[in-house]
Amino acid sequence: EVQLLESGGGFVQPGGSLRLFCAASGFTFSDFAMNWVRLVPGKGLEWVSGISNSGGSTHYADSVKGRFTVSRDNSKNSLFLQMNSLRVDDTAVYYCSKDEGGIAARVFEYWGQGIRVTVSS
Amino acid sequence: SYVLTQPPSMSVAPGKTASIPCGGNSLQTKSVHWYQLKAGQAPVSVMVYGSDRPSGIPERFSGSISDNTATLTISRVEAGDEADYFCQVFDSASEHSVFGGGTKLTVL
Repeated sequence: EVQLLESGGGFVQPGGSLRLFCAASGFTFSDFAMNWVRLVPGKGLEWVSGISNSGGSTHYADSVKGRFTVSRDNSKNSLFLQMNSLRVDDTAVYYCSKDEGGIAARVFEYWGQGIRVTVSS
Repeated sequence: SYVLTQPPSMSVAPGKTASIPCGGNSLQTKSVHWYQLKAGQAPVSVMVYGSDRPSGIPERFSGSISDNTATLTISRVEAGDEADYFCQVFDSASEHSVFGGGTKLTVL
């Protein structure tokens, strides 16, 4: 059974940083691309970032490019999202999602339960 | 950037059929996927590549694409189908994934 468990969220002031973690199990992690998708209050789902199965290719939404960095550790079945220079409009529930294949941002086959990030002064 | 358009809300009586549209430019040339989001739960993939049901999704769920509109159809709607439904495509021009704004389905 595929399981994705996010952690690392919380409350942070504008300009601050947070690092999200996603622990994956139930599949061969190194075979699949991974993504971060967020649910913005009142606005819906927004794809944030994706990383290929090898970690060699990364992609970002324009809204986070230059501020967020996605990475993975295939030896530990772990996905990360380093979020810097956080803004109020980054407030959302962040989901870790397994892609269908090795290239990111294609099909979000499985999702975690999500972790809340609140950016406020 | 590529835009997918969905109606914000729809309502349907139990036992009836809900057809949720998703519009986008040249949508028939793209692979459209659909996700169900219930409050407090992980999103679930309910339709991929326009009309393929993932394992475990009831046959009551079906999908189609015609011209610039993809449609998720839920037959014999049940109370448990009440959720937000989002369509999604990969935009090769930007190498970004794009979601529609979502449709809140209310079962009367």
